[in-house]
Amino acid sequence: DTEVTQTPKHLVMGMTNKKSLKCEQHMGHRAMYWYKQKAKKPPELMFVYSYEKLSINESVPSRFSPECPNSSLLNLHLHALQPEDSALYLCASSPGGGETQYFGPGTRLLVL
Amino acid sequence: SQQGEEDPQALSIQEGENATMNCSYKTSINNLQWYRQNSGRGLVHLILIRSNEREKHSGRLRVTLDTSKKSSSLLITASRAADTASYFCATDSNAGNNRKLIWGLGTSLAVNP
Repeated sequence: DTEVTQTPKHLVMGMTNKKSLKCEQHMGHRAMYWYKQKAKKPPELMFVYSYEKLSINESVPSRFSPECPNSSLLNLHLHALQPEDSALYLCASSPGGGETQYFGPGTRLLVL
Repeated sequence: SQQGEEDPQALSIQEGENATMNCSYKTSINNLQWYRQNSGRGLVHLILIRSNEREKHSGRLRVTLDTSKKSSSLLITASRAADTASYFCATDSNAGNNRKLIWGLGTSLAVNP
């Protein structure tokens, strides 16, 4: 199985809502990533988990809270988001740091 | 911070023509990777070239790496309409647990039938 899955595909939320994005891979990869991408821009790294531990936090606001329950799953908990947080959120995994990353299809998030 | 810069930012060609995209970077690297992204979708890995390699091929794709000039190029030969996408280069420069990819700004390729 060489696929990274993400749910939901689309999400609309108000600024007071709490929601979660989910990501799953069954390739035995040890590194997992959350990216945020705005239209016509490159992906911006948010968080990196290495061996289920948070290894990189790119100074992301605390309204985004990552969680890695096990080696196959990665969650991103969202709370009190702002309209400017509307974007495509991408999850990726790789065998190790610096290696080829395999991306999920993304969650298109709209914050109203 | 983004260390990769790609040119051109946008490229429009006719089907059957070749497309060349360039990527420059600033620091020494472990490897350089190219990815494709169709509109609004996830990124797909195309090729990884290591710092001790100069050229790699995969099907209609050819990637070169010049570490003395800190630059790479991606050549797509005999382009097809399905090649229409954004193409990003990404470099791996760090070591240890803080390894991450640094992404270029991307080239938007349009292949006209």
